[in-house]
Amino acid sequence: QITLKESGPTLVKPTQTLTLTCTFSGFSLSTSGVAVGWIRQPPGKALEWLALIYWNDDKRYSPSLKSRVTITKDSSKNQVVLTMTNVDPVDTATYYCAHSTTVVAWGLDYWGQGTLVTVSS
Amino acid sequence: SYVLTQPPSVSVAPGQTARITCGGNNIGSKTVHWYQQKPGQAPVLVVYDDSDRPSGIPERFSGSNSGNTATLTISRVEAGDRADYYCHVWDHSSVPWVFGGGTKLTVL
Repeated sequence: QITLKESGPTLVKPTQTLTLTCTFSGFSLSTSGVAVGWIRQPPGKALEWLALIYWNDDKRYSPSLKSRVTITKDSSKNQVVLTMTNVDPVDTATYYCAHSTTVVAWGLDYWGQGTLVTVSS
Repeated sequence: SYVLTQPPSVSVAPGQTARITCGGNNIGSKTVHWYQQKPGQAPVLVVYDDSDRPSGIPERFSGSNSGNTATLTISRVEAGDRADYYCHVWDHSSVPWVFGGGTKLTVL
């Protein structure tokens, strides 16, 4: 059974760095054809893809956030970490991590419950 | 960057068929997925790889993709299908994932 869970601060001040951790179980990010992505959703708005890391440590970023976002993995701990620098109130959103695999043609078949992050002074 | 366009809303009566479109330049050459998101919940994958269904998703949900438009079709719509639906494109490029703006399905 695959599960993912996001964790991190619920409130961050503008200009600070946000660090979110996705802890997962039921799969290995060392297995070929597996990836974990981060997606966010501002209140009342659409989903936005942020970053993606593949089993082979290949990383991809949304062009609009590439300069501020870093994704890393620790396969031994079953964790993926997203770091976002210089946050702004517009970064207020629910942040999701999700599992992806070639089995579903790189769709997102399992999602975490999401964590709401508010950026405010 | 690649842009996906969805209608903001679609309305349908119970028992009828809902069609939600996702427009993109030559989207037919890309892989499209669809998600259902109900209020306060994480999205759920309902169609992947243009037209396949994950286990547990009713056959009423189907997808197609050709030319510049991908379509999610929901047959025999039920009140429980009321949700936001998002299309999602995967492309083997430096920017592999893009989401559409979402469509709110209203069941009259």
